[in-house]
Amino acid sequence: ETGVTQSPTHLIKTRGQQVTLRCSSQSGHNTVSWYQQALGQGPQFIFQYYREEENGRGNFPPRFSGLQFPNYSSELNVNALELDDSALYLCASSLQHRQGGEKLFFGSGTQLSVL
Amino acid sequence: GESVGLHLPTLSVQEGDNSIINCAYSNSASDYFIWYKQESGKGPQFIIDIRSNMDKRQGQRVTVLLNKTVKHLSLQIAATQPGDSAVYFCAEKLGGSYIPTFGRGTSLIVHP
Repeated sequence: ETGVTQSPTHLIKTRGQQVTLRCSSQSGHNTVSWYQQALGQGPQFIFQYYREEENGRGNFPPRFSGLQFPNYSSELNVNALELDDSALYLCASSLQHRQGGEKLFFGSGTQLSVL
Repeated sequence: GESVGLHLPTLSVQEGDNSIINCAYSNSASDYFIWYKQESGKGPQFIIDIRSNMDKRQGQRVTVLLNKTVKHLSLQIAATQPGDSAVYFCAEKLGGSYIPTFGRGTSLIVHP
């Protein structure tokens, strides 16, 4: 177990709705990254938060947004859901420091289905 | 397009055999590489990593080899067990970044 927890585990929404996914990072970690994983594909980077600030963003539209809280937990919000947003959403925490910190510890993900 | 890819989408082996999973990367500026294992219904689990100043690193039953000349990464699993059945992803990270980029993955099937 990585100590990274995500909620909910499964979610069903309809097109146009909004969704919020939550992640609690591993104790002592200061960075949270979110990935989208479509069936049969590798995880695709959405964005990363370091000490409550966005630290990098992948090729996702602005309707994908996020937050990181002072306790380093995080939320992923998706507005105006589309059918193609159906995927497994993975949260990963890590500890960034001068000597490195690229090793990600993943949660089990939230399976989102958009109907 | 993706800068990290895998040669074989599926690899089937017999229990006890050694497995080799290959990965090609295209960005010579990548300085860190990671292998992850993902079992059904779970998130990716870290297996082993290697920095670009090394060409080999060993863990417990696993070895990662890095060939920077041909931009190739491999994961060797010794004495493969049914519990090793999963999808394996390689990921690369550019120098100065903390964000790994994942390839498509290889499904490893271990037959008892």
